[in-house]
Formats: sequence, structure tokens, C-alpha cells
Amino acid sequence: AQTVTQSQPEMSVQEAETVTLSCTYDTSESDYYLFWYKQPPSRQMILVIRQEAYKQQNATENRFSVNFQKAAKSFSLKISDSQLGDAAMYFCAYRSRHGGSQGNLIFGKGTKLSVKP
Amino acid sequence: AAGVIQSPRHLIKEKRETATLKCYPIPRHDTVYWYQQGPGQDPQFLISFYEKMQSDKGSIPDRFSAQQFSDYHSELNMSSLELGDSALYFCASSLLGQQNTEAFFGQGTRLTVV
Repeated sequence: AQTVTQSQPEMSVQEAETVTLSCTYDTSESDYYLFWYKQPPSRQMILVIRQEAYKQQNATENRFSVNFQKAAKSFSLKISDSQLGDAAMYFCAYRSRHGGSQGNLIFGKGTKLSVKP
Repeated sequence: AAGVIQSPRHLIKEKRETATLKCYPIPRHDTVYWYQQGPGQDPQFLISFYEKMQSDKGSIPDRFSAQQFSDYHSELNMSSLELGDSALYFCASSLLGQQNTEAFFGQGTRLTVV
């Protein structure tokens, strides 16, 4: 079974600075997707960024980028120029691309990010 | 753009009562997922449907059942409610047959069992 581990329950960053959230996962599959979801106090689950395992290039979405290390099974999220609105719980998630699990997500425990003005 | 719609947004029930949560996926999406997120917890996968057939089952209690209807909306039925069922219930939908698909989440139904 696949597992996702986020080792940082809480992180803090100064506004305008950069922060990196860690995520590791365990799987025997070679083809899968990885995601970072943001959950602000409203509790809405918002997709931040996704990475296909077969792509070597790291995904980037504006101020958000990932460092995907497939061999190490590591998938960290870097937030540049942090803004107050980035304060939220961030979940790393894994999704199989094939097999019996038809696309359901496996989440890590989350990292609560605080942004200091 | 249309999003995933869940109703009701909030629900308060007493122990041993029954609750029904509804989910209306994004039009043309063929897959619906249900997740349960307890207080301070990560979302846990309950069950999914692909083209109106149950496709996968996670940690869903036997007291819960779900189905997807001909119009693709889905309902999660919860019976003999327990205090521990208090949680945020998310529905998500995706177009599984398309590569690079992502799951779009509804705003959730907050269930409180008293």
C-alpha cells in the first residue's frame, strides 16, 4: 500500500520570503501522480500543483514549484515570495495511475503554514 | 466554470439518526469520490464511483452506503450515526478517462453528531 509522509506538522515563514514543505512517499508503482493541496481556514481543498511521475521536469505554477526526486521518493513544495494568503494547511497527496484504485488520493497528515507579516 | 456542488453545507444530527449527503459533480465528469476529514486530520478516502458503478472502497463503515445515479449525482447515506462520525465530508469529481486529470473538490458538508 502507498503511504505519504509529511514530517513537518507546522512551518512558519516571513512574508516575502521562501519556504519549503517536505513530503516523502512510499510506493512500488512506477507511474503515478503527486499533488499539493492547500486547505485554508474555509476548509476548501484547492489544488496547488501536480506532478506526473514520468516527467523529469519539476512542475511550476507561478510562485509555487516542486522538487521531485523520484529515486528518493521525495516531493517537496517551494513557495517563493510568501504572501499572507498562503497561510493554510498544505497536504501532499499521491494517486495511482493504474490498477484497482481508480484515482483516489492518499494524503499526508498535512503541514500547517503560518505567514508572518 | 461549474464546480462540484455539495449539499447541505452543514448538518446537525443526533446519535443513532440517519443522514444523507448529496454531491453534484462537474458536468461530464465520470468519477466521484467521497472523503471524510475528521478534526485536525487528513482526508480519508471512503468510496468512489466510475460511470455510476462502485469502483473502489476505502475505510467506509458498514453503516455507510453510497450510490451514483443516472444523472451522475451521488449520495452518501449514513445510518446509526455516532459521535465519531462528526467530520467534514468532501466529494470530489474527475474525468478519469483523460490524462493529467485532477480531482476537483466540493466545499464539503460539515456533519455534527450530538
